[in-house]
Amino acid sequence: KNQVEQSPQSLIILEGKNCTLQCNYTVSPFSNLRWYKQDTGRGPVSLTIMTFSENTKSNGRYTATLDADTKQSSLHITASQLSDSASYICVVSAGREYGNKLVFGAGTILRVKS
Amino acid sequence: DGGITQSPKYLFRKEGQNVTLSCEQNLNHDAMYWYRQDPGQGLRLIYYSQIVNDFQKGDIAEGYSVSREKKESFPLTVTSAQKNPTAFYLCASSRTSGSLDEQFFGPGTRLTVL
Repeated sequence: KNQVEQSPQSLIILEGKNCTLQCNYTVSPFSNLRWYKQDTGRGPVSLTIMTFSENTKSNGRYTATLDADTKQSSLHITASQLSDSASYICVVSAGREYGNKLVFGAGTILRVKS
Repeated sequence: DGGITQSPKYLFRKEGQNVTLSCEQNLNHDAMYWYRQDPGQGLRLIYYSQIVNDFQKGDIAEGYSVSREKKESFPLTVTSAQKNPTAFYLCASSRTSGSLDEQFFGPGTRLTVL
């Protein structure tokens, strides 16, 4: 069964600290993996995309890693800001043979405190 | 100002009523999608359309209907047959339905059944 599991479910950190969010997936075949940021009551916005051959991708203070062998990804946030408070969603695309279906994780809710 | 708009932002429905959620995009995207988001769960695909005048069922299409008469519009009707319609509904669009094309999301509609 194609699944995407994220951990932790929620996280509270102090402003300025770093944090790492985890994503494990069983989706096969694999095409690509995206991390989305979703502010409360808003639609998700894409942060990064990685294909099978990429193992790291940065977008400002966000750095995503991918280990396609172990089917794990992480999102590292550096020097957190209050505006980073949001839900972070890991999304895996199953590729053309599976109709390019997206499988969404349930998200990690991050709260940054001052 | 390009993007995806959804209306209304909040919608209240009495049991037994049909309601229609609006989704419009001016990105000239061929593909459009409807997702449902429930607390603690990943987004689930309701319907998608790869091109105007064509649409396919997603994973949870029962109790919902759509139309795609214009490229820029993809309205979703929640019928009385949907047993548990209270949720956050997200519309998305992408240039094509290819796996590498980013899905851009609208701001969402929160539907509550009274």
